[in-house]
Amino acid sequence: GDSVTQMEGPVTLSEEAFLTINCTYTATGYPSLFWYVQYPGEGLQLLLKATKADDKGSNKGFEATYRKETTSFHLEKGSVQVSDSAVYFCALPRDTGRRALTFGSGTRLQVQP
Amino acid sequence: KAGVTQTPRYLIKTRGQQVTLSCSPISGHRSVSWYQQTPGQGLQFLFEYFSETQRNKGNFPGRFSGRQFSNSRSEMNVSTLELGDSALYLCASSLGASDETQYFGPGTRLLVL
Repeated sequence: GDSVTQMEGPVTLSEEAFLTINCTYTATGYPSLFWYVQYPGEGLQLLLKATKADDKGSNKGFEATYRKETTSFHLEKGSVQVSDSAVYFCALPRDTGRRALTFGSGTRLQVQP
Repeated sequence: KAGVTQTPRYLIKTRGQQVTLSCSPISGHRSVSWYQQTPGQGLQFLFEYFSETQRNKGNFPGRFSGRQFSNSRSEMNVSTLELGDSALYLCASSLGASDETQYFGPGTRLLVL
C-alpha cells in the first residue's frame, strides 16, 4: 500500500517564526494528499488538501504544494502563532481509489510566546 | 451543517467486556471509516462502510467489528476487551463516490482496566 513519512517532532518555535514540516510519500499513481491537525483533546481537523501534481493547498495561512518530482507535500506557514500549537499529520489514501487514509506519525508543534 | 458526532466521548471498561461506539456522519455523507489512535501505533485504519457494506478493512483481529445503518450512522463493536484496546477511536465521514476527503469526529476515548 501507499505510505507517508513525516519529520519527527517536537518542533519548537517562537511566535512569528517560519514553519516547515516535511512530508514525503510513496504511492502508485498520483493520489490526493492531505494535512490534518489535532489540537489537544480533540479529533482531527482537515487543514488542507491537494488533488493533483503542482496543486497548492492553503488554509489559515498554511500552505503545501504537491511535488510529484520529489514526492513531497511539505507544510509551511510564514508566521506561526501560539494557537497553532498542535500535532500535524500528513496523509494519503491507503490504496489507489480508496478513501481510507494512511497517516504519518505526526509532528508536534509547540509555539512559544 | 453539523459535523461528525461520536458517542460516548469517554468510556471506561474492564478486560473481557465488550463495547459499542456510535458515529453519526455529516448529513449527506454515505461513507464512514473508523480509526484507532494510540501513542505507540499512531493512527491505524480499522474499517470503512459505504451504503451499509464494509468496503475496506484494516489489519485488526476479528474482535473488532462494525456495521452501518440505512441512515449512514455507524457503530463499531469490540468484544473481549484487552488492555491494549485503550485508545482514541475516531470516526470519519466522506461523501463517497469520487470524493476522498474525510472529516473526523471528536473521537471516543476508551480506557480498558
